[in-house]
Amino acid sequence: ILNVEQSPQSLHVQEGDSTNFTCSFPSSNFYALHWYRWETAKSPEALFVMTLNGDEKKKGRISATLNTKEGYSYLYIKGSQPEDSATYLCAFPIYNQGGKLIFGQGTELSVKP
Amino acid sequence: DAGVIQSPRHEVTEMGQEVTLRCKPISGHDYLFWYRQTMMRGLELLIYFNNNVPIDDSGMPEDRFSAKMPNASFSTLKIQPSEPRDSAVYFCASVGGLGTDTQYFGPGTRLTVL
Repeated sequence: ILNVEQSPQSLHVQEGDSTNFTCSFPSSNFYALHWYRWETAKSPEALFVMTLNGDEKKKGRISATLNTKEGYSYLYIKGSQPEDSATYLCAFPIYNQGGKLIFGQGTELSVKP
Repeated sequence: DAGVIQSPRHEVTEMGQEVTLRCKPISGHDYLFWYRQTMMRGLELLIYFNNNVPIDDSGMPEDRFSAKMPNASFSTLKIQPSEPRDSAVYFCASVGGLGTDTQYFGPGTRLTVL
């Protein structure tokens, strides 16, 4: 059974703080890792798809790194803003099953002004 | 493209009634997924289709749930009879097909069964 784990489960920070959280995934049969941002009462929205070991992606104040050999990815948010409050999900596609993703439970980020 | 379209956005029904949720995937996407979001389980995959054929329905909770995809542009998720524990947000998503492709989610249907 493939397991995708995220930590911490929830995080409360002050506006302006930088923060990061972790996604752990199986290192065998790896070929991609997805990050999604999910705001309350909305649908998940794709942030990054990462494929190469050592890859680093950036979107505004959000960036992500990937280590496929040890099976983890970090998501960083620099200078958190209240609008960054959301649940951040990582997802691992199953090899040879098209787009089927195994999602982690998510990290719920709350940024207080 | 308008993205993944779901209807209705909200559904309130009484226990025992039949509920049908609808989804229109992004044109050209080969895969369609039905998910359910609950407080207890987070985002769980119910069933997915490849080229209109159901591939994996192991996530469907029980026989009260059924899903169809009669053509490439339409899918339904039906619950008959509905129960209060089915209350959740149901998402449909579609993707081109590769694991490196982004999965696009619809806005969801919030179902409340009284």
